[in-house]
Amino acid sequence: GENVEQHPSTLSVQEGDSAVIKCTYSDSASNYFPWYKQELGKRPQLIIDIRSNVGEKKDQRIAVTLNKTAKHFSLHITETQPEDSAVYFCAASPNTDKLIFGTGTRLQVFP
Amino acid sequence: GAVVSQHPSWVICKSGTSVKIECRSLDFQATTMFWYRQFPKQSLMLMATSNEGSKATYEQGVEKDKFLINHASLTLSTLTVTSAHPEDSSFYICSATGGRGYNEQFFGPGTRLTVL
Repeated sequence: GENVEQHPSTLSVQEGDSAVIKCTYSDSASNYFPWYKQELGKRPQLIIDIRSNVGEKKDQRIAVTLNKTAKHFSLHITETQPEDSAVYFCAASPNTDKLIFGTGTRLQVFP
Repeated sequence: GAVVSQHPSWVICKSGTSVKIECRSLDFQATTMFWYRQFPKQSLMLMATSNEGSKATYEQGVEKDKFLINHASLTLSTLTVTSAHPEDSSFYICSATGGRGYNEQFFGPGTRLTVL
């Protein structure tokens, strides 16, 4: 089955700096890769997603890149703000609709 | 659109009792619903996938007799934790697909279960 690894587990950056979180997946059949932001005690919120027929997608300060050959995908947050502090999860979806989540990255943005 | 609700938001129960958690899609018909469990500072672990009118598919290691899932309609799925024990204490989150977009899941707000 699908296995998703995520790094780093924690990331601290200064406000205004960029943050990069990386994930790798094992199942070459996976075709959908969402990223979620989760605040303590809350539901995961979809922040951006990418499908396997696209290499890069951007939405304001957030971008995701996908390398299907290497089975890597990454989240890039530019101009970070304190309100970006949260836990971020990547996920991969094999053809069966279900999502397999990465282990999470706790991002702290210091003012 | 694509709103998913969960009830209750938190529950405290005694060891040995059963607890039912409801997951509803409020403005769309959910062809598939998923149940996750999340322990503190850990990731979401998929427990089972349920489709309306059919038996749930459980992930490896999840006891189907302990975690009963019923997906009786296109807007409602329930998870019953039977004979709950303290190790079942966790954050249970449901999600649903079918609102828009292939694969995209919409998450409920979660239910915090504490078993004393």
